[in-house]
Amino acid sequence: QQQVKQSPQSLIVQKGGIPIINCAYENTAFDYFPWYQQFPGKGPALLIAIRPDVSEKKEGRFTISFNKSAKQFSLHIMDSQPGDSATYFCAASKAEETSGSRLTFGEGTQLTVNP
Amino acid sequence: EPEVTQTPSHQVTQMGQEVILRCVPISNHLYFYWYRQILGQKVEFLVSFYNNEISEKSEIFDDQFSVERPDGSNFTLKIRSTKLEDSAMYFCARTGREVPDTQYFGPGTRLTVL
Repeated sequence: QQQVKQSPQSLIVQKGGIPIINCAYENTAFDYFPWYQQFPGKGPALLIAIRPDVSEKKEGRFTISFNKSAKQFSLHIMDSQPGDSATYFCAASKAEETSGSRLTFGEGTQLTVNP
Repeated sequence: EPEVTQTPSHQVTQMGQEVILRCVPISNHLYFYWYRQILGQKVEFLVSFYNNEISEKSEIFDDQFSVERPDGSNFTLKIRSTKLEDSAMYFCARTGREVPDTQYFGPGTRLTVL
């Protein structure tokens, strides 16, 4: 019940395209859904996050769509650039005052944006 | 917000040896976490640390692992008697007081067990 399923495993788009990465979760107690971007040899970098009280959040070229009833959320990258080529991880957590909020990660999507 | 610093960036050790990985957070951070990422796989939670105590740990975090904050500053992960399968990237993460569920990751320590 703690799992977060992510798809696709890899994705190749042309510059300017709109890659979409999808995630599904099972635990309805999750209340925070971040996306992380990771370059080879680096730590995950927080990209954008959403809470279940909204259905969409946009920051720059990155948009999260959230469907609470379906227990799914997705990341859209508008006008993708070669520099966006990286591995993207979705995650989910439930904040607890005395224990913090362990993140449960999806399996990751390797995105390649061709020039 | 400022990130955490991790040392060393790469650690090579022999199987059976003990290693200590270090994380240097900013003093006002409230929660600290250790995660592990085996090459090519997803990031996995190991342990969370709150108010100088372990607050939650995963099934991966067995007796081989320990965490502490010995000097009130550095946050360490100790792996006793390392195994080949401990080879991975180990990330320290922290949350701030203002937004307790937003986690920021350090650059990681690559542990190679030979």
